Amino acid sequence: QKEVEQDPGPLSVPEGAIVSLNCTYSNSAFQYFMWYRQYSRKGPELLMYTYSSGNKEDGRFTAQVDKSSKYISLFIRDSQPSDSATYLCAVNAGGTSYGKLTFGQGTILTVHP
Amino acid sequence: GAVVSQHPSWVICKSGTSVKIECRSLDFQATTMFWYRQFPKQSLMLMATSNEGSKATYEQGVEKDKFLINHASLTLSTLTVTSAHPEDSSFYICSARIAMRGDHEQFFGPGTRLTVL
Repeated sequence: QKEVEQDPGPLSVPEGAIVSLNCTYSNSAFQYFMWYRQYSRKGPELLMYTYSSGNKEDGRFTAQVDKSSKYISLFIRDSQPSDSATYLCAVNAGGTSYGKLTFGQGTILTVHP
Repeated sequence: GAVVSQHPSWVICKSGTSVKIECRSLDFQATTMFWYRQFPKQSLMLMATSNEGSKATYEQGVEKDKFLINHASLTLSTLTVTSAHPEDSSFYICSARIAMRGDHEQFFGPGTRLTVL
């Protein structure tokens, strides 16, 4: 079983739709949760960074973490064609695994006009 | 702020040659840098953690003699793929953490695409 599972999609939505991206993880030691956006042939760009359970909002993006069910989500409101990219969730346990990120497989998102 | 660059952005080499990839933090000091490898349509896999002034820590299954990492300064880490073979062809991405900051954010470089013929 992979430590982080993410549906690779692809996911195709019309412009303006609400997008829901999800990951599950297996290790309850993970405490830090991140979402990255990666355009083709580019490095990942940090979108959201959360610690422990709860919600965090930044503009059109909302990240949710439910540690009890080991489930993390990213919601994109009013999606735009420029949101078309691969979205990667990443987790970190902190402590001695300081800085080491474990990534999900990534979900390919296409927002069509 | 928090910009990471990589050089070269792409490289093609013959089998058996060595290739050096540079990772630089442009506007911050990075005591720790990370090297990842990404195959087409797959996620990033951590190869090694590079700490300034000390030996790199390699993940299980990564050959340290094949992937030489040097982190000689707070702004530069290098990855050398020695005696490269076609199966080493991949997208190599580095990331860096901001020194003295207690969080776990990493800032990624744009990646280097290596093709070994």
